[in-house]
Amino acid sequence: EAGVAQSPRYKIIEKRQSVAFWCNPISGHATLYWYQQILGQGPKLLIQFQNNGVVDDSQLPKDRFSAERLKGVDSTLKIQPAKLEDSAVYLCASSLGAPYTGELFFGEGSRLTVL
Amino acid sequence: AQSVTQPDIHITVSEGASLELRCNYSYGATPYLFWYVQSPGQGLQLLLKYFSGDTLVQGIKGFEAEFKRSQSSFNLRKPSVHWSDAAEYFCAVGNTNAGKSTFGDGTTLTVKP
Repeated sequence: EAGVAQSPRYKIIEKRQSVAFWCNPISGHATLYWYQQILGQGPKLLIQFQNNGVVDDSQLPKDRFSAERLKGVDSTLKIQPAKLEDSAVYLCASSLGAPYTGELFFGEGSRLTVL
Repeated sequence: AQSVTQPDIHITVSEGASLELRCNYSYGATPYLFWYVQSPGQGLQLLLKYFSGDTLVQGIKGFEAEFKRSQSSFNLRKPSVHWSDAAEYFCAVGNTNAGKSTFGDGTTLTVKP
């Protein structure tokens, strides 16, 4: 069974530029999460999708971050314009959804460096 | 609001020695609790989980954890550490209503030869 796929693995941009990250979850997983992991910290939830609907985006900085999950499968997270403090690893995770088990399957992450 | 505290930022143990990583949680109801491991450059991998029942749970790679409701703790243990266990370990609590997990800030494990 294929795991969660993410790309790109690494990205370096200048501040005020834009960047997009892509995630393809495990087949059949209804719930998809984007987490931000800043160096030295644990993952922090940015947005949670159930199929193609947003369940929770309360921690997503909506003035610069956007995410979509068209057709309820793969997802894209975009940052525009980027700030220095956005330097982090962006982790995508998926789960079956219902019933809730809490078990998340993570991709390897996309490391963003903003200069 | 749910939260997780991992009091130890960094722990160093000798290979073959026992290990205990601490985790304290805050959650209003019976929690779902998890331990994940993250090797450098990798995503997080689930080690073990507690939902209900036996408070001592076994996981992969020889790890176990014990849920203590009275102490709001879910400490991770391993009797004999291997060099390959060097990684970062995250404790997490799951919100069953919202279907999401909150992670601690992790403990970095270094294994001395």
